[in-house]
Amino acid sequence: NAGVTQTPKFQVLKTGQSMTLQCAQDMNHNSMYWYRQDPGMGLRLIYYSASEGTTDKGEVPNGYNVSRLNKREFSLRLESAAPSQTSVYFCASSYQPGTGNTEAFFGQGTRLTVV
Amino acid sequence: AQKITQTQPGMFVQEKEAVTLDCTYDTSDQSYGLFWYKQPSSGEMIFLIYQGSYDEQNATEGRYSLNFQKARKSANLVISASQLGDSAMYFCAMIPPLSGGYQKVTFGTGTKLQVIP
Repeated sequence: NAGVTQTPKFQVLKTGQSMTLQCAQDMNHNSMYWYRQDPGMGLRLIYYSASEGTTDKGEVPNGYNVSRLNKREFSLRLESAAPSQTSVYFCASSYQPGTGNTEAFFGQGTRLTVV
Repeated sequence: AQKITQTQPGMFVQEKEAVTLDCTYDTSDQSYGLFWYKQPSSGEMIFLIYQGSYDEQNATEGRYSLNFQKARKSANLVISASQLGDSAMYFCAMIPPLSGGYQKVTFGTGTKLQVIP
């Protein structure tokens, strides 16, 4: 019962470096999301994907790109990391077609520090 | 657009007592869902309870209950008989009606609950 698997769990980057956060879910969910969590600001949506092949911007998309590789996988890329992107990143998925389940399931988070 | 407001940045409660965490929301949608999530210090997000806007009864899950007052647009979480393991951040969240298989989840800023022995 893996649920949502997110890697890596911790990462330190230098300003200007790039990296990709990986996320995979095995629940046949249509929708996937990337959030960032900062103290006092709750979770803010970076990008989302309603279904395979589609992606859209959320509240705070600047500095990020995403790829919905297939139904299972949704990756988040930082092309040129900045200290303002130091945060905890969560991947989530929801909505299994044919069911009434709307609960969002979360990965364990990635703690990213940009120095 | 949906908005979730949690006005209590931090709360303390004595072990074994009940505590209410406040959540108000704003939406123009007629149907929606409300969630509460727990985030312990380890960082993972744990689903606690769900309330649909058309559910007539308040949702309950073990020691958790959701005090849903639709007219007031509030969805407070009540934890009965607090335990030390309840110390965590708690997030209220909302989803709009399902549309094309997509639901954007809107979160509040969270309430940090500390249970005192």
